[in-house]
Amino acid sequence: AQSVTQLGSHVSVSEGALVLLRCNYSSSVPPYLFWYVQYPNQGLQLLLKYTSAATLVKGINGFEAEFKKSETSFHLTKPSAHMSDAAEYFCAVGGYQKVTFGIGTKLQVIP
Amino acid sequence: DTGVSQNPRHKITKRGQNVTFRCDPISEHNRLYWYRQTLGQGPEFLTYFQNEAQLEKSRLLSDRFSAERPKGSFSTLEIQRTEQGDSAMYLCASSPGTSGGRGTQYFGPGTRLLVL
Repeated sequence: AQSVTQLGSHVSVSEGALVLLRCNYSSSVPPYLFWYVQYPNQGLQLLLKYTSAATLVKGINGFEAEFKKSETSFHLTKPSAHMSDAAEYFCAVGGYQKVTFGIGTKLQVIP
Repeated sequence: DTGVSQNPRHKITKRGQNVTFRCDPISEHNRLYWYRQTLGQGPEFLTYFQNEAQLEKSRLLSDRFSAERPKGSFSTLEIQRTEQGDSAMYLCASSPGTSGGRGTQYFGPGTRLLVL
């Protein structure tokens, strides 16, 4: 069994401020973890993926995430928010057969 | 590589009608997934195919829903006797190889269904 919990359905940050989106997972097998971004009326796009090769994963658009097994967490961060980062972000956990998504966090960037 | 495409992008139908959606995955991708996404929720798994074989179906996929992937290429998702609760975005994704749930999924733009 696998599941994902995203804390905070809405997060607001000022332009230039740190972005922190939280994700905790549960998995009965060693997990693969993903962060996807979705812009309005579009499909999901992969930001980054954890595959056990390195605990700190760098993705596109300046995002990165750190895998912490002891905390079962995979939080997404970006040092400085840009207006174009406003979107919905989904954390997901992949097992052997399928991927389970969280409910998403909508990021608002305030100018 | 043109990405995953889905048609139609939007569908409005009346309750009780049947609808069919099509998904064309990235060529040579073995796995194809269907998800449903409602407002304020993440994608919910419906079913997936490994080549032409449908390997798992969610309990969300009632007997009014059927999916096919003939010849392991494109896939169709049909909803019979639509209900207002079927209104949602239907997403298709494909992934390469046999990595299963560990493979990166490439999503199409989705088909938005509105049942009146």
